[in-house]
Amino acid sequence: NAGVTQTPKFRVLKTGQSMTLLCAQDMNHEYMYWYRQDPGMGLRLIHYSVGEGTTAKGEVPDGYNVSRLKKQNFLLGLESAAPSQTSVYFCASSHGQGWGTDTQYFGPGTRLTVL
Amino acid sequence: GQQVMQIPQYQHVQEGEDFTTYCNSSTTLSNIQWYKQRPGGHPVFLIQLVKSGEVKKQKRLTFQFGEAKKNSSLHITATQTTDVGTYFCAGYTGNQFYFGTGTSLTVIP
Repeated sequence: NAGVTQTPKFRVLKTGQSMTLLCAQDMNHEYMYWYRQDPGMGLRLIHYSVGEGTTAKGEVPDGYNVSRLKKQNFLLGLESAAPSQTSVYFCASSHGQGWGTDTQYFGPGTRLTVL
Repeated sequence: GQQVMQIPQYQHVQEGEDFTTYCNSSTTLSNIQWYKQRPGGHPVFLIQLVKSGEVKKQKRLTFQFGEAKKNSSLHITATQTTDVGTYFCAGYTGNQFYFGTGTSLTVIP
């Protein structure tokens, strides 16, 4: 039981390049989330999904897109990376008993640098 | 702006001293959760408080939810080196879930 996994662990991009971050969970969780973590800012929600085929915007969605084609996977895309998107990205999942009341299980994170 | 603020941002304590972090929201929260993130690690769930004025304990950790459900605190008694990390609160406003800015705890042996 791997829990929540993220690939890649590290990535360096040039401004304007695109990439996709993959999150996978094997706990059969309904809800999945993408956060970014910046010094002094805590974790900020980018997008989330309450089930396969559904996505919704979080606090800081601009510049990102997501897809949840399979229940166990949640993809985060950057179409044209900017230096302001340099951050550590965390994926999380939860059972789906209640938005905002579930325990969230986090992946190990992806450290992204945009030059 | 940031919905949930935590103070202090950083705290250095001698091992054995107590530690408290405070979480304040600009809006009323339905519930509050606390997470711990070890250096280089990912956030791990500690506890959830739901009721106004609720107090919960986990060994040396005491969690409190304010009467107005707009603030919360985490108190650690007699800190140990294993307590090192960043502590985050997170609250649900009814339509959005916000993490606090976090308090980074350093314990000096």
